[in-house]
Amino acid sequence: DGGITQSPKYLFRKEGQNVTLSCEQNLNHDAMYWYRQDPGQGLRLIYYSQIVNDFQKGDIAEGYSVSREKKESFPLTVTSAQKNPTAFYLCASSIWGREQFFGPGTRLTVL
Amino acid sequence: ILNVEQSPQSLHVQEGDSTNFTCSFPSSNFYALHWYRWETAKSPEALFVMTLNGDEKKKGRISATLNTKEGYSYLYIKGSQPEDSATYLCASADSNYQLIWGAGTKLIIKP
Repeated sequence: DGGITQSPKYLFRKEGQNVTLSCEQNLNHDAMYWYRQDPGQGLRLIYYSQIVNDFQKGDIAEGYSVSREKKESFPLTVTSAQKNPTAFYLCASSIWGREQFFGPGTRLTVL
Repeated sequence: ILNVEQSPQSLHVQEGDSTNFTCSFPSSNFYALHWYRWETAKSPEALFVMTLNGDEKKKGRISATLNTKEGYSYLYIKGSQPEDSATYLCASADSNYQLIWGAGTKLIIKP
């Protein structure tokens, strides 16, 4: 089955800790994206990658970091510099310029 | 309009009735308009990607129209069914293919 997976589904973090959210796709898509959703708001782009070994900041990149060492994988690290990290995080992939395919999401809670 | 705006924010519709809602987007530097359906506990799923002014797309009982000159798109659902209950998201892409997302319209179908 082709698809996009995210893990874990729920994640709890203590203040001051870095955490890494996993995103994997087997759709052979070049482009991958990380979004954050907060209640009552639209999806906001954190980072995106058009191709392996390249990525660009989105609208709210501060406090986050990514890597794209493999086409299939685009992990997101939420660092201690992110002031308000509690949110729902969605990963997506696509052929660049086409509709995006989303993973099931990770809900991060800072304790 | 600098942001993507969706209205109404939520909508209750009787099963069997038809309904529609609106997505307003910046008309300058427009490239494409995306519609997605996001059911509870699932991932957002692409419905339509539209690029041409006057374009109309249809998938079963759901259809969408696009007016790029005035910056709006309508999504129509004919004969609503309980399985149509979801949040409907639209996103506008500029020529750099950066998507700006609306906050969504939450549709609840009453049996």
